[in-house]
Amino acid sequence: DQQVKQNSPSLSVQEGRISILNCDYTNSMFDYFLWYKKYPAEGPTFLISISSIKDKNEDGRFTVFLNKSAKHLSLHIVPSQPGDSAVYFCAASDAGGTSYGKLTFGQGTILTVHP
Amino acid sequence: DAGITQSPRYKITETGRQVTLMCHQTWSHSYMFWYRQDLGHGLRLIYYSAAADITDKGEVPDGYVVSRSKTENFPLTLESATRSQTSVYFCASSDPSNQPQHFGDGTRLSIL
Repeated sequence: DQQVKQNSPSLSVQEGRISILNCDYTNSMFDYFLWYKKYPAEGPTFLISISSIKDKNEDGRFTVFLNKSAKHLSLHIVPSQPGDSAVYFCAASDAGGTSYGKLTFGQGTILTVHP
Repeated sequence: DAGITQSPRYKITETGRQVTLMCHQTWSHSYMFWYRQDLGHGLRLIYYSAAADITDKGEVPDGYVVSRSKTENFPLTLESATRSQTSVYFCASSDPSNQPQHFGDGTRLSIL
């Protein structure tokens, strides 16, 4: 049973527009959420995270929103750039609000940003 | 340079063979993890370790063995490889300073 789901396998956007990637989870014990970005032939790299005590976290062009009642989080990238083209994974942890514990990943969404 | 390295990057072997994937990190992180990435599943946790000589199963541990005699190394062994273990394997590390996991660049393993 997939506890973290990314229901959109792919997303295509124009350069300069907003990219919105979505993620749903089912386990109420998850209390820390992360987004990773992955280029081909490389390992995932950490992008941004949010604790369950917050509903928004911003870092430059990247903002993550958390809706605990809906068990839903989203990653907004604005403006999108061609270099943002990659696979994006959301991940969740139930390690007591810490980011270093075991992670449960979604299936990933392939983002393509067209010039 | 400090970091996390995996070897080999690519490996082809046959069913029934034993194969070991290596993972080495230079940060002295206490936590280390092994994941496999498969289409439609994202990354799934195989085994993890909270410190040297402490290991525990993840979501998909069957067919795998790990050891952690030194903090910096966390090898993953497939004792008798099967075709279903064809995958890309990622090692990661983190520590309780609340920093997120850092990943290696992966090992692409093909079992014929």
